[in-house]
Amino acid sequence: DIQMTQSPSILSASVGDRVTIACRASQSISTWLAWYQQKPGEAPKLLVYRASSLDVDVPSRFSGSGSGTDFTLTISSVQPDDFATYYCQHYDRYPYTFGQGTKVEI
Amino acid sequence: QVQLVQSGAEVKKPGTSVKVSCKTSGYIFTRDDIHWIRQAPGQGLEWMGWISPNRGVSGNAQKFQGRVSMTRDTSIATSYLELINVTSDDTAMYFCTRSGLGGASASWGQGTLVTVSS
Repeated sequence: DIQMTQSPSILSASVGDRVTIACRASQSISTWLAWYQQKPGEAPKLLVYRASSLDVDVPSRFSGSGSGTDFTLTISSVQPDDFATYYCQHYDRYPYTFGQGTKVEI
Repeated sequence: QVQLVQSGAEVKKPGTSVKVSCKTSGYIFTRDDIHWIRQAPGQGLEWMGWISPNRGVSGNAQKFQGRVSMTRDTSIATSYLELINVTSDDTAMYFCTRSGLGGASASWGQGTLVTVSS
């Protein structure tokens, strides 16, 4: 199975900060990577697919990059609505595994 | 719009089974795979498996081999997850998702809380 490792586990930020979350795959997954945002008590929401494509209605302050084994999710200017937990997931081959999550907090 | 509506919360005794439904609407049910993902309290997301509503074939993570079954009823655009011989470790929120965009979970159900307790 492909292991996904996110860093950091917790990220403290202030409104307006630029934040970057890293995700590393244990083997190459090309660009078969998605990023999700989850707020407490809610289902996750797709933000980015194919490593860098924003899903519909996702604000442009979010961006994804990377290929192979190393990926990043960047929020260019963190807004109050962005404080949440973020997960990466590969979908290169089954089983589709998730990173352990990164909590972005104030 | 695309909607996935899951069945209500369940409380189960250890050793019994649970079946969760996921009723879809707003798209062609047989076009996209359905994935099942769970989240234990305070923990991260765990991918369980998938089913192709078109072909009826499914697959699951090795961890659940022999205990999980994923089925569908195309006449009512509904997918099902059944987990047998449950233990307290199966206490979690269970989500169904529509796999679009090459495999990413583009749409999610609201979640079904399954609690296993004696």
